Amino acid sequence: KAGVTQTPRYLIKTRGQQVTLSCSPISGHRSVSWYQQTPGQGLQFLFEYFSETQRNKGNFPGRFSGRQFSNSRSEMNVSTLELGDSALYLCASSRDKNYGYTFGSGTRLTVV
Amino acid sequence: GQQLNQSPQSMFIQEGEDVSMNCTSSSIFNTWLWYKQDPGEGPVLLIALYKAGELTSNGRLTAQFGITRKDSFLNISASIPSDVGIYFCAGLGLTSYDKVIFGPGTSLSVIP
Repeated sequence: KAGVTQTPRYLIKTRGQQVTLSCSPISGHRSVSWYQQTPGQGLQFLFEYFSETQRNKGNFPGRFSGRQFSNSRSEMNVSTLELGDSALYLCASSRDKNYGYTFGSGTRLTVV
Repeated sequence: GQQLNQSPQSMFIQEGEDVSMNCTSSSIFNTWLWYKQDPGEGPVLLIALYKAGELTSNGRLTAQFGITRKDSFLNISASIPSDVGIYFCAGLGLTSYDKVIFGPGTSLSVIP
């Protein structure tokens, strides 16, 4: 079965721009979570969506937002990009979090 | 907030050696998860633990859910070069509204 698909795989943006990242979860998985991964900070939780509702949110500024569509696909948006937003953004889906997430390969965002 | 600590931060071992790493928290978790991340990819679930004291194996990997519910351990026996990567522990509370919290990771290098 298809895994979690994230697009694009790589992205270069200029400081001040905005960016939208996309995530298609595994079929049947209604929970989608987003994480930011940087070398010094590990996996930092951004937000979780379940059935189009944000169920949880991490400690990120309001420039980071997300949404989930009725088909469970999810997008996250970062506005007014800063150099420090350069990171690997990982999306993960699950049918039930207790059984663990399945992660996508991530989107590598570089802000210049 | 909830935070996980992993030790050691990094390990360099000879092929064939056994590996032990652990994950500790000041909070109680009801589920412990262990993931491995290869370079350029998203983390992959290795083992999930659901009960205090539980010991679960997956091939050469064995993980334990600590009795206090505040820690977990992962052992790898007879390491091979493909064990190289970053190993993350993750903890999850009881409710569906709890976040999955990830530790900072243990980087494993295997010297052939």
